[in-house]
Amino acid sequence: KQEVTQIPAALSVPEGENLVLNCSFTDSAIYNLQWFRQDPGKGLTSLLLIQSSQREQTSGRLNASLDKSSGRSTLYIAASQPGDSATYLCAVDGESGGSNYKLTFGKGTLLTVNP
Amino acid sequence: KAGVTQTPRYLIKTRGQQVTLSCSPISGHRSVSWYQQTPGQGLQFLFEYFSETQRNKGNFPGRFSGRQFSNSRSEMNVSTLELGDSALYLCASSLWQGIEAFFGQGTRLTVV
Repeated sequence: KQEVTQIPAALSVPEGENLVLNCSFTDSAIYNLQWFRQDPGKGLTSLLLIQSSQREQTSGRLNASLDKSSGRSTLYIAASQPGDSATYLCAVDGESGGSNYKLTFGKGTLLTVNP
Repeated sequence: KAGVTQTPRYLIKTRGQQVTLSCSPISGHRSVSWYQQTPGQGLQFLFEYFSETQRNKGNFPGRFSGRQFSNSRSEMNVSTLELGDSALYLCASSLWQGIEAFFGQGTRLTVV
């Protein structure tokens, strides 16, 4: 059974700082990995999708990397801003190399960027 | 391009009642998934549909059911509501599973 862990559970940083959020998963034979952000009481916003054959994806100030062999992904946020404050969720699809038609989520990292 | 639309946004129901939630996926998307989010358990997978066929189901009791229509719109139903069913129910759509998933704003269900 696939399990996803995110560390740290909460992070508070001053504006402008670069930061890294971590995600680990128990079964390395994933199909893809997706990072989301969630604002309080709202739905999830997709940030980045990394297919199993890829090592990283970039979008603006965000960079996500994937190391399947070690079962780890990191989300790097450059020059953080107060508007980045949200919960960041990591989710994986698949546990034996193919899609199993569902995402397994971590519990998230609550990020607070202080002005 | 319209996003994933979930209705209603908020619901208050009494224990023992049943409820139906609706999800309209992004136009052209054929895969629709449902998730339950609670503070204690986080996001948990309920079920996934593709072309009206359920392809996977999470570990929830039979009181939770769903279906997908020919236009890809989906509904989920919860019968005999319990207090513990209070949660944010999220729907996601994608062209097909394994591709980027897009989520709706969710339906906040409160059971009293």
